[in-house]
Amino acid sequence: EAQVTQNPRYLITVTGKKLTVTCSQNMNHEYMSWYRQDPGLGLRQIYYSMNVEVTDKGDVPEGYKVSRKEKRNFPLILESPSPNQTSLYFCASRSLQGAKETQYFGPGTRLLVL
Amino acid sequence: AQSVTQPDIHITVSEGASLELRCNYSYGATPYLFWYVQSPGQGLQLLLKYFSGDTLVQGIKGFEAEFKRSQSSFNLRKPSVHWSDAAEYFCAVAPLSGSARQLTFGSGTQLTVLP
Repeated sequence: EAQVTQNPRYLITVTGKKLTVTCSQNMNHEYMSWYRQDPGLGLRQIYYSMNVEVTDKGDVPEGYKVSRKEKRNFPLILESPSPNQTSLYFCASRSLQGAKETQYFGPGTRLLVL
Repeated sequence: AQSVTQPDIHITVSEGASLELRCNYSYGATPYLFWYVQSPGQGLQLLLKYFSGDTLVQGIKGFEAEFKRSQSSFNLRKPSVHWSDAAEYFCAVAPLSGSARQLTFGSGTQLTVLP
């Protein structure tokens, strides 16, 4: 089954305590990305990756890092979380092959930073 | 920069009634157009997409959308809503060219279905 998985699904942390949210896909997709969802703002892209070792900033990259050492994994790193990073985070993946590409989303990670 | 507007934050309809969710986009050329649905506690699921050709697009769960170039709109419709359609709906656009092809989302429309 085509799947994007994220862990953890829920996380409560404190300001400044580094955390990592993992993302993995089993579809051999080249393109992966991270979004945050906030009420009234829809989804905004944080970072994306076109392939292994190729990453780039999205619309709201401040305070986040990513890495793409393997094709299937795309972790999101918050080196020093702050309360304004409290949000719902989604990982997504898709292929880069023409008009049939569909973006698949993970189930989301709800993060609360105190 | 491309943008997507969903003018209705919240819509309430009765079960069995028809539904139309509005989406307008601002972009230099016709982009790829998508509708996603997010059920409570779930990720986003693609309902339908438009790339080219017939401007009336059929999707899953009985949804359809019509692309109107003159109005820069891509409204989502369903003739008879079911209680299970209660969810949040997002319109999204992506440029035709460039492999990065970032999705830009609207702010969403929350749908409530009354019994």
